Amino acid sequence: NAGVTQTPKFRILKIGQSMTLQCAQDMNHNYMYWYRQDPGMGLKLIYYSVGAGITDKGEVPNGYNVSRSTTEDFPLRLELAAPSQTSVYFCASRPRDRAKYFGPGTRLTVL
Amino acid sequence: GQQVMQIPQYQHVQEGEDFTTYCNSSTTLSNIQWYKQRPGGHPVFLIQLVKSGEVKKQKRLTFQFGEAKKNSSLHITATQTTDVGTYFCAGPGGLTGGGNKLTFGTGTQLKVEL
Repeated sequence: NAGVTQTPKFRILKIGQSMTLQCAQDMNHNYMYWYRQDPGMGLKLIYYSVGAGITDKGEVPNGYNVSRSTTEDFPLRLELAAPSQTSVYFCASRPRDRAKYFGPGTRLTVL
Repeated sequence: GQQVMQIPQYQHVQEGEDFTTYCNSSTTLSNIQWYKQRPGGHPVFLIQLVKSGEVKKQKRLTFQFGEAKKNSSLHITATQTTDVGTYFCAGPGGLTGGGNKLTFGTGTQLKVEL
């Protein structure tokens, strides 16, 4: 198993640009998550999904959108990038009643 | 909403010294999880505690869950340079939380000097 994979690893965006952060898992986990981690800080939940076709907001959803058309994929969309969205983005997945497996992260800078 | 605080925020120790980080929740937790994040890396699951007063050990690491299920601690005996990283506790939202909205603590960054 590859586990949780994220692409790209690094990205620089200009203010107002859009992009999609990709996340995929091959462990057949129903639950998937997107977190952001600002420098020296903890993880804030952006969106999560409990299965294909079901998504819900976390603590900090503004400025982001998600979709979950398959069990494997959970992309995160930034429509109008802002400097406040400069962060490291982690995708995670888990089976029911188990701890999370995190991907390696995407480091995003918005200039 | 639920808040999970950790102290200390930073800790520098000499190799061989012990280290403890404390985690306090504003609400009672159904369980608590601990993660380790190496510098530049991603969080890695260490352990989950479920029962009131539970104590679990992993080699030099000892994890405790408070009797009231609102606090937890991680103790490392005789730290090594491989212990460097940030340690996070995380708890589900409320008593019945299934972990869907796992709230992460603020983290304790550990540095180990030779």
